[in-house]
Amino acid sequence: KAGVTQTPRYLIKTRGQQVTLSCSPISGHRSVSWYQQTPGQGLQFLFEYFSETQRNKGNFPGRFSGRQFSNSRSEMNVSTLELGDSALYLCASSLQGENYGYTFGSGTRLTVV
Amino acid sequence: DAKTTQPPSMDCAEGRAANLPCNHSTISGNEYVYWYRQIHSQGPQYIIHGLKNNETNEMASLIITEDRKSSTLILPHATLRDTAVYYCIVRPYSSNTGKLIFGQGTTLQVKP
Repeated sequence: KAGVTQTPRYLIKTRGQQVTLSCSPISGHRSVSWYQQTPGQGLQFLFEYFSETQRNKGNFPGRFSGRQFSNSRSEMNVSTLELGDSALYLCASSLQGENYGYTFGSGTRLTVV
Repeated sequence: DAKTTQPPSMDCAEGRAANLPCNHSTISGNEYVYWYRQIHSQGPQYIIHGLKNNETNEMASLIITEDRKSSTLILPHATLRDTAVYYCIVRPYSSNTGKLIFGQGTTLQVKP
């Protein structure tokens, strides 16, 4: 079966711009989580969506937001980009949030210049 | 904060067993131990999980001490493709949140 698909794979943006990243979960999966990975902070949880509702949120500023559509596809948006937002953004999906069932995508590499 | 402590790096010879330790001395009774790994430039991949009994699957074995304060992930015959960062995570089995707390993990380098 198809895995978790994240688009685009690479992105370069300028400070102050905004960006939208997309995640298509495995068919049938209803939970989608987003993570930010940087060399300094490692993997950090951003937020989780389940059945179009945000179920949990990490400690990130309000510039980071997301949403989930009725087909479980999810998008995350970062407004007013800062240099420190340069990172690998990973999306993970699971049926309902089972710990062992998380499947991650390959991520979107965002570079802010 | 992560509830686990892992060595930052380890080396292993190809074909030999790789034993990756994890300390989780504050683990609660309802928390399981999960292992994920991340190969360079890819997303983390689930490996195995367990509560208190030893577990084995096609990828690895998980040995949990009787007091559950530590565990060891064993890759029985490491290959070059097993070179990755390995994360040990503890959390309740059933949770209504998709939040996984990753520590710094152990970078395993498998050498020819």
